[in-house]
This record gives sequence, C-alpha cells and structure tokens, in this order.
Amino acid sequence: SAVISQKPSRDICQRGTSLTIQCQVDSQVTMMFWYRQQPGQSLTLIATANQGSEATYESGFVIDKFPISRPNLTFSTLTVSNMSPEDSSIYLCSVEGDDRTQYFGPGTRLLVL
Amino acid sequence: GDSVTQMEGPVTLSEEAFLTINCTYTATGYPSLFWYVQYPGEGLQLLLKATKADDKGSNKGFEATYRKETTSFHLEKGSVQVSDSAVYFCALRVNQAGTALIFGKGTTLSVSS
Repeated sequence: SAVISQKPSRDICQRGTSLTIQCQVDSQVTMMFWYRQQPGQSLTLIATANQGSEATYESGFVIDKFPISRPNLTFSTLTVSNMSPEDSSIYLCSVEGDDRTQYFGPGTRLLVL
Repeated sequence: GDSVTQMEGPVTLSEEAFLTINCTYTATGYPSLFWYVQYPGEGLQLLLKATKADDKGSNKGFEATYRKETTSFHLEKGSVQVSDSAVYFCALRVNQAGTALIFGKGTTLSVSS
C-alpha cells in the first residue's frame, strides 16, 4: 500500500484567487492521479501526472485552469486557478501501488465564496 | 465507453440487517473491479477488489464476486453495523498499467441502531 498526505486539508477562498494543493507519497510511484468530487457526486478524473512529462488532462479540464507539477516520484501539486464557486469540491490525489491498486489521499475540501 | 452503474441510494438499514449494493459494469476486455468506502469527512479507502472472473474479494465482513456472465460485482454484508454508515463506490480499471479508475455514482448507506 501507499500512504498519501495532502495539504491543505481544507480551505475557504475568494473567487478569482488560486489555490495550490500538495500531494506527498511515502514511496516512489510512477503514476499519480488528480480527481475532483463535487458535492454529493462521484469522482471525476482531472488529469494523470507522470514524473518528467506533461500531465494528461481529461475532457473538460485544461492546463490553464488546473496546472499540475510533478517534480519527482513522491510529490505533485494541483493548482485551481481563477476560482469560482463552481470549483467548490473535494480534490483527491491518488497513486497506483505496486499491487496495481489505487490508493487515495484524504482529500482537500475547497469552498469558494 | 467503459462505465459503472450502481444502485441509487440512500440505503437505510437497521443494525444486523443484510446488505446488498448492486453494481454492474460495461467494459472492453477484462477489467479489475473495486469497492471503495468513504466515511463522513474522509477520503476513499479501498474496501475490496477482484482482478479476474469468479474472484471473490472480501474485507471486514463485506464480500463481492466478479461475475463476468452478468457483468456484476455486487457488494454484500451479512450483518451491518452503525459504523458501516458511509458512501460506497464501485469502480473499474481496464487492465493496463497506469490507467485511472472509473467510478460509479456512489451509494449512501445509513445504519441505525
């Protein structure tokens, strides 16, 4: 398994500002994933982040709005840019372990006013 | 495309009742199947998984069997507890390294004493 931490755990932000979410893993992993969970909804994949290459974004998500960094095999950041109330969600980082199971961080709860 | 369909919730049960949460999937090839649980205010935890047809995943009294012929992976527990109250997500992953999960919409379970 993998132990994943995220910072911040929650935040309240003003519209028009940006927030960077950090994801730290206790072991080296190749693939990291960022998901969004809107209130009362399921998880939607935002992008896949591979170390040393550009992130791959899903339909409906763009790099200008959700820039991602992956500087090494244990860390990634997701920035939510120019936020609006519609960005209020839980943002979750996950990794694929050696057993090919995905493990999730505790999530970052974002409220945009 | 690949997809997961879960029974609509919420599911409300009394303690010690039998639980079934239905999950069916559509996928090309032979996906791996998962059940994740999200307790209030927390991230997702892997509950159980199955990687090939007829496999049975089990954990904490929960079970699910990978049925290829009916494309199903129903979650069952013989006697639920109040502490099982959570949101349960069925998910699949096509069997390719580094592929993200596809989630169902989630089923909320509420158990009363």
